[in-house]
Amino acid sequence: AQSVAQPEDQVNVAEGNPLTVKCTYSVSGNPYLFWYVQYPNRGLQFLLKYITGDNLVKGSYGFEAEFNKSQTSFHLKKPSALVSDSALYFCAVRVYSSASKIIFGSGTRLSIRP
Amino acid sequence: DAMVIQNPRYQVTQFGKPVTLSCSQTLNHNVMYWYQQKSSQAPKLLFHYYDKDFNNEADTPDNFQSRRPNTSFCFLDIRSPGLGDAAMYLCATSRDPGYQETQYFGPGTRLLVL
Repeated sequence: AQSVAQPEDQVNVAEGNPLTVKCTYSVSGNPYLFWYVQYPNRGLQFLLKYITGDNLVKGSYGFEAEFNKSQTSFHLKKPSALVSDSALYFCAVRVYSSASKIIFGSGTRLSIRP
Repeated sequence: DAMVIQNPRYQVTQFGKPVTLSCSQTLNHNVMYWYQQKSSQAPKLLFHYYDKDFNNEADTPDNFQSRRPNTSFCFLDIRSPGLGDAAMYLCATSRDPGYQETQYFGPGTRLLVL
């Protein structure tokens, strides 16, 4: 069965420090992976996706993610965190048997302290 | 700007009183989705339309229905809301149902059931 896991419920980082939000996946076939961010009382905003090609994917707001096939991971990273990055982050994977369906991870709340 | 619009942003209904949530899009996308999200949990797909073809998830309760009268609009009908249906309801669109396609989300409607 396809699944995606976010092992950390909460990540706390000081402003200006690098941040990493972890995601691991389990899929049949090629993985199609996404990161979304959700601010309070708002919908999800697309950050980036991995379909194929370069393992380092660059996205919106200075975020990037590294696809690692051997470790089945797709961690979200940013070199220098901003207070405004504080939000709920979801990793997601396409379901191989149904292209329309995305499975979301449980979410990681990122808190950036000034 | 092309976007996904959800109205209203907040909806209060009474236990058992039918309620309709609406979604419109200016992206001219072929696929529209409805998700239910409870208490900062992962969004859960209820159903989606690919053009006029309706695709219901197996575990979506019969209490939830949907209509898509044209490309731009999609409605979520809850026939007899229960207290457990209080949640954020997210509408999303994608150009096509393919694996590479990104889903774009609206701001959501928060439903409160009294």
